[in-house]
Amino acid sequence: EAGVAQSPRYKIIEKRQSVAFWCNPISGHATLYWYQQILGQGPKLLIQFQNNGVVDDSQLPKDRFSAERLKGVDSTLKIQPAKLEDSAVYLCASSQGILSGNTIYFGEGSWLTVV
Amino acid sequence: AQRVTQPEKLLSVFKGAPVELKCNYSYSGSPELFWYVQYSRQRLQLLLRHISRESIKGFTADLNKGETSFHLKKPFAQEEDSAMYYCALTSGSRLTFGEGTQLTVNP
Repeated sequence: EAGVAQSPRYKIIEKRQSVAFWCNPISGHATLYWYQQILGQGPKLLIQFQNNGVVDDSQLPKDRFSAERLKGVDSTLKIQPAKLEDSAVYLCASSQGILSGNTIYFGEGSWLTVV
Repeated sequence: AQRVTQPEKLLSVFKGAPVELKCNYSYSGSPELFWYVQYSRQRLQLLLRHISRESIKGFTADLNKGETSFHLKKPFAQEEDSAMYYCALTSGSRLTFGEGTQLTVNP
């Protein structure tokens, strides 16, 4: 089966600019996640969707980060304005449901460098 | 709050030697524990989960609730085991990762 697709793979922007990342989950997966992985750290959950509803966005810096999954399939994560500390890999992941028994599948990530 | 600690950022062993990657967690309920692996230039993927009690690629991990640990073990390391390993915990729907251990298996 096709895996989780993300784009762009790499992005370099200046601070205070904006950037958007796109994710297409595995077909049929109701749950979609965005993780932030800063160099040397483990992935940190930013936001989790169940279909087109938000399940958990408690760790999303809402003053600059936003995410949507309007039709319950694809998702977009936006950062505006970007800060230097936003430099990280942004991982999208999906699973069939929110129950812990469901395996989470990750995309290859979108690498962001803010200069 | 749930927390996962991997005390070793780097671990280096020789091929054929036993390897143990340590993981400790803190959580007040009954968590589910996982090990994820990321090989060079590949995406993060599930290696094993504690409820399955299975051995994947020769790796096993036992949940020790008394010591709140979930160490990953393999009796004879192979060069292809070189990768980044993340221990993770889920309670309900949120998956929390440790900071990872980079395992290098030398020939």
